[in-house]
Amino acid sequence: QVQLQQSGPGLVKPSQTLSLTCAISGDSVSSNGVPWNWIRQSPSRGLEWLGRTYYKSTWYYDYAVSVKGRITINPDTSKNQFSLQLNSVTPEDTAVYYCTRGQMRYGMDVWGQGTTVTVSS
Amino acid sequence: QSALTQPPSASGSPGQSVTISCTGTSSDVGGYNSVSWYQQHPGKAPKLMISEVSKRPSGVPDRFSGSKSGNTASLTVSGLQAEDEADYYCSSYAGNNNLVFGGGTKLTVL
Repeated sequence: QVQLQQSGPGLVKPSQTLSLTCAISGDSVSSNGVPWNWIRQSPSRGLEWLGRTYYKSTWYYDYAVSVKGRITINPDTSKNQFSLQLNSVTPEDTAVYYCTRGQMRYGMDVWGQGTTVTVSS
Repeated sequence: QSALTQPPSASGSPGQSVTISCTGTSSDVGGYNSVSWYQQHPGKAPKLMISEVSKRPSGVPDRFSGSKSGNTASLTVSGLQAEDEADYYCSSYAGNNNLVFGGGTKLTVL
């Protein structure tokens, strides 16, 4: 049974960097062609896919246009986890952040427990 | 404003059937057989209920079914049960590594 366990701070100051980690059990971050995603949910923006990473002979990264330039998703094969960094945050980035496994075409079949992140001074 | 349009609410009595719609465009729902449906209970993460328009992942009751016609996808819950009361979200692949979601429908079991 695949499980995702999220960790990271729940409060971030404006202009700083939001950092979250998603630890994987029951699968590998390096599984061939399996995408590992970050999705957020807020009352104002609803569910929003942020980006993904996957390994297929090399590492690939795809990011949503809405956050491109501010976002980095990194796999950590030594710890079997992946991370999200979102720079220059504003109160608009306040949301529940989820890590997931899944293809866009086939659905997100495994979700982390969610982390509520508030951007406030 | 979400890319896909869902009714904000739906309701039905136990044992009845209810259908939730998800309307997009030819660039997303109508262009790909890649619609997924998620169930979300309060304070919990979404759970995948339907993938690729009509496929049920292992463990999802066959009371849940999905379909699509043109730019509109639908989720039908038959034989409503109290535990089906939740928020339901649709999503669709929209090309160019783009995934879009609906705004969600709150299903109430009367």
